[in-house]
Amino acid sequence: GAGVSQSPSNKVTEKGKDVELRCDPISGHTALYWYRQSLGQGLEFLIYFQGNSAPDKSGLPSDRFSAERTGGSVSTLTIQRTQQEDSAVYLCASSLAVTGTEQYFGPGTRLTVT
Amino acid sequence: AQTVTQSQPEMSVQEAETVTLSCTYDTSESDYYLFWYKQPPSRQMILVIRQEAYKQQNATENRFSVNFQKAAKSFSLKISDSQLGDAAMYFCAYRWRETYKYIFGTGTRLKVLA
Repeated sequence: GAGVSQSPSNKVTEKGKDVELRCDPISGHTALYWYRQSLGQGLEFLIYFQGNSAPDKSGLPSDRFSAERTGGSVSTLTIQRTQQEDSAVYLCASSLAVTGTEQYFGPGTRLTVT
Repeated sequence: AQTVTQSQPEMSVQEAETVTLSCTYDTSESDYYLFWYKQPPSRQMILVIRQEAYKQQNATENRFSVNFQKAAKSFSLKISDSQLGDAAMYFCAYRWRETYKYIFGTGTRLKVLA
């Protein structure tokens, strides 16, 4: 079946603009994660969704970042008033359940803020 | 706090040779999972191998094996008969069984020399 997909693959935006990044998880996966990967760094946890539970937003770096997941499937990560330090690869991953140990990752969106 | 450390930013190996990537972690928990993920230039993170902490036997997946030393909190990845397609960033990750959060190291870039 299809894996996790993300769009766009690359996004270049001007400082101060808002951007939306999309993630389509694997069908049936109830858990969804967003990570940020800055150049030369590991993966930084941003937010986690599990079913209909309230999301864990503890990793969001500022109130300019928000995410939603509609119908327990597609998720959108929104960054408002983008800054140059927001430039990074944003990765989405999904898994079957909280106790599922394997995450399946999408190819990521490379965001460049000029 | 739980941390994952990969002290080798970059490694090189000759094709067909064996290479070992290091990973250490810090946790006070006894029941957890450890992972090695591969990220090729395509950015797609792929699970290479997984180890459950309560299992003493080291995990093996074809040419990939781990040396899991629980007391030393060490989790190294051995790649045998290295192939050009093994060139990638390799991330070590930890997850406590009771949570859904993964903690990633900063990665090791593996170069395979023909």
